[in-house]
This record gives sequence, structure tokens and C-alpha cells, in this order.
Amino acid sequence: QVQLQQSGPGLVKPSQTLSLTCAISGDSVSNNNAAWNWIRQSPSRGLEWLGKTYYRSEWSYDYAVSVKSRISINPDTSKNQFSLQLNSVTAEDTAVYYCARDMYWAFDFWGQGTVVTVSS
Amino acid sequence: EIVLTQSPGTLSLSPGERATLSCRASQSVSSTYLAWYQQKPGQAPRLLIYGASSRATGIPDRFSGSGSGTDFTLIISGLEPEDFALYYCHQYGTSPTFGGGTKVEIK
Repeated sequence: QVQLQQSGPGLVKPSQTLSLTCAISGDSVSNNNAAWNWIRQSPSRGLEWLGKTYYRSEWSYDYAVSVKSRISINPDTSKNQFSLQLNSVTAEDTAVYYCARDMYWAFDFWGQGTVVTVSS
Repeated sequence: EIVLTQSPGTLSLSPGERATLSCRASQSVSSTYLAWYQQKPGQAPRLLIYGASSRATGIPDRFSGSGSGTDFTLIISGLEPEDFALYYCHQYGTSPTFGGGTKVEIK
């Protein structure tokens, strides 16, 4: 059974960088049939896909247009995990952040969620 | 970006009744790329249906999905107490998007 365990701070100051990690068990971040995503949820924006990384003989990355200039998602094969970095955060980035696996064009396994508040 | 509009916003039903949830896309979506999720308070969404009509592992057969093009439907035939929750549709395109959700509440 695939499990995704999220970690990272729940409070980030405005203009700083939000950093979260998603540790994978029961699968490999290098799985050629999977992609590893970050999704957030807030009352104002609903569920919002942020981006993904995936391996198909080389690493690839796709990001949502809304955050493309500020986001980085990186795999760590040595620890079988992937991370999210979102720069220059504002109060608009306050949300619950989820990591999720997608295979066959749907998000089949999700992390437990991390409540991130942007506040000084 | 493909916008998904779910209706109704809230569905008030009694246990045992049938729930019909609608998801309309702003442009055509491949059935392969349409999924439904259930979310309960304080929990992550759970995949119910993928490929518009295929049930995910462990999902009871009272959940069924159908549709094509711009109109998709999730039916829960015979609501159980644990089915009262939020439901979201999702399209997996170049830029994945989610609908705004339908809340199924106890009448």
C-alpha cells in the first residue's frame, strides 16, 4: 500500500519560502508510470493543482501557470521523497497543502495534508 | 484552463436515497481524464472514480460514474451514513483543475 507522509512548517512569514516534503513508502519516486504532485486547498480558491515531477528516462516538471514563477518541485531519490518550495509567499498562499501520486490520470494516493499559514 | 462547474452546490437527502451529482466542463474533456473524489472534514480527498466510470480500488459498487464530452455524472445509489460528504470532479489535462464541489448532507 502506498503511503505519503508530509512534513514541514505550518507557519511561514510573508515574502519567505514555503518548504514541504513528502516521503513515499510502498512506491518509488522514480516509478516510470507515476507522477508526484502538490495540490493545495483553501476556502477562496478551492482545490488547486500546483505542479508535479515525474521520471520517464529523465526528470520532468510541470507547474501551474498561477505559481510558475515561484515554485520548484524536486525529487530526492536517495530518500525516496519529493519536495515543494514556493517562494515569496503572501497571505494568498495560506492553505492546506497536499502531496499526491497520480497514475492513470487521477490522484490515487494523498498525503495527510499540512495546514500552512502565511503570517508575520 | 478548463473550468468544471458542479451542481447542485448542496444536495439534501435521506439515507437510502439516490444521489445524482453533475459536473459540467467549459470545454470537452476526454473521459480518460475525468475523476471523482470524496472528501470528509479534516481528511484528504479520496479517489472514487477515474476514467469517468471506473471505480477505484475498494470503492463500493453503489458509486457509479458516467458521461462524456462536457457532461459527467456521479451517482450514489442508496446513500449510506458514511456517504454524506463533499464530492469533487477533476479533469487531468495539461493543467489539472477541480470543480467547486457538491455537498451531500443529511436531510
